[in-house]
Amino acid sequence: EVQLVESGGGLVQPGGSLRLSCAASGFTFRSFAMSWVRQAPGKGLEWVSGISGSGGSTNYADSVKGRFTISRDNSKNTLYLHLNSLRAEDTAVYYCAKDRGVFRSYPLDYDYWGQGTLVTVSS
Amino acid sequence: EIVLTQSPGTLSLSPGERATLSCRASHSVSSSYLAWYQQKPGQAPRLLIYGASSRATGIPDRFTGSGSGTDFTLTISRLEPEDFAVYYCQQYGSARQTFGQGTKVEIK
Repeated sequence: EVQLVESGGGLVQPGGSLRLSCAASGFTFRSFAMSWVRQAPGKGLEWVSGISGSGGSTNYADSVKGRFTISRDNSKNTLYLHLNSLRAEDTAVYYCAKDRGVFRSYPLDYDYWGQGTLVTVSS
Repeated sequence: EIVLTQSPGTLSLSPGERATLSCRASHSVSSSYLAWYQQKPGQAPRLLIYGASSRATGIPDRFTGSGSGTDFTLTISRLEPEDFAVYYCQQYGSARQTFGQGTKVEIK
């Protein structure tokens, strides 16, 4: 059974940093691209960042480029998102999501999602 | 960035009725790289349709995706009680993926 479990969310002050983790199980992690998608309270979905299965290719939404860094440790079956220079508008539930297709260079569509971790940016 | 506009914002229907949801893109979506997701309160999204018209694993055949270019449609042929939720379209034909703002299907 595929499982994605996010952790690391919490309350952080504007300008602060946080690291989110997503522990994956039930599939060959290194074979699948992954993404982070966020959802502000009461709002819609926003793609944040994606990474290839090897970790060699990454891309970011303009809203987070230069502030957030996506990475993965395939030996630990874990996806990460490093959040720096946080702003109030980064407040959201952050989901990790597994690409549906195997060995794709970029994540495209997502067949499994975690339950999300809430990041609140407030003083 | 490709902007996706979903309409209507809210659809009020009764169980057994047909639901038609629209997703319009600001630029053509290459290779019909468009997906539809369903999200219920407090839950993660669930993939329904990918490639504009292919049903994801385990999705009932009352869900149908169609369209190409800039105009896409999700049709639910006969609404079941569990279908009342918010639906999002997503394009992944460009490096910057984007989602629509969502259509809420509510019980009339």
